[in-house]
Amino acid sequence: NAGVTQTPKFRILKIGQSMTLQCTQDMNHNYMYWYRQDPGMGLKLIYYSVGAGITDKGEVPNGYNVSRSTTEDFPLRLELAAPSQTSVYFCASTRTGQYTEAFFGQGTRLTVV
Amino acid sequence: DAKTTQPPSMDCAEGRAANLPCNHSTISGNEYVYWYRQIHSQGPQYIIHGLKNNETNEMASLIITEDRKSSTLILPHATLRDTAVYYCIAPEAYSTLTFGKGTMLLVSP
Repeated sequence: NAGVTQTPKFRILKIGQSMTLQCTQDMNHNYMYWYRQDPGMGLKLIYYSVGAGITDKGEVPNGYNVSRSTTEDFPLRLELAAPSQTSVYFCASTRTGQYTEAFFGQGTRLTVV
Repeated sequence: DAKTTQPPSMDCAEGRAANLPCNHSTISGNEYVYWYRQIHSQGPQYIIHGLKNNETNEMASLIITEDRKSSTLILPHATLRDTAVYYCIAPEAYSTLTFGKGTMLLVSP
């Protein structure tokens, strides 16, 4: 049982480049989330999705886009990378929105130079 | 979400019980208390949750006060591998999960 899988684990981007962080879950969870975590800080919600075709903004959505075409996948897109987007990104999923156990991926460490 | 307050750091000797406190004085009647932990550089891991009654699982015990304004997570026999940041969260139903800075627990030999 893979749970939540994120790729890549590490990435270095140049300012202005774009990339997609991949997230997939095999638990048939309806809800999926993207967080970022800056050094020494808690997790901040970027975007979330309550099901295929439905997404909504979290606390810090600027500079990011998401899509949810399938239940399994929830990619996060950075269009014009900026140094402020240097962070560790975590994807998570829950079965429902009535808060149940959240499963997290192992993270993507992104550096923008 | 109900605001939660946790000490920024705690120490514990290996083999002893680690008692991590959390204040959530504004919690409403239908909000659960959840505990997660994050071991260095890894994704957060669910530990336990509860509403009113005390809860226990293979990882920890959760003690919630009768007025529900505070709770304590207990790791009965802490090991070095329990060194992590522990997050106490009280989300509203059908809301997203919000993480604060948590408590950094350092377990020492």
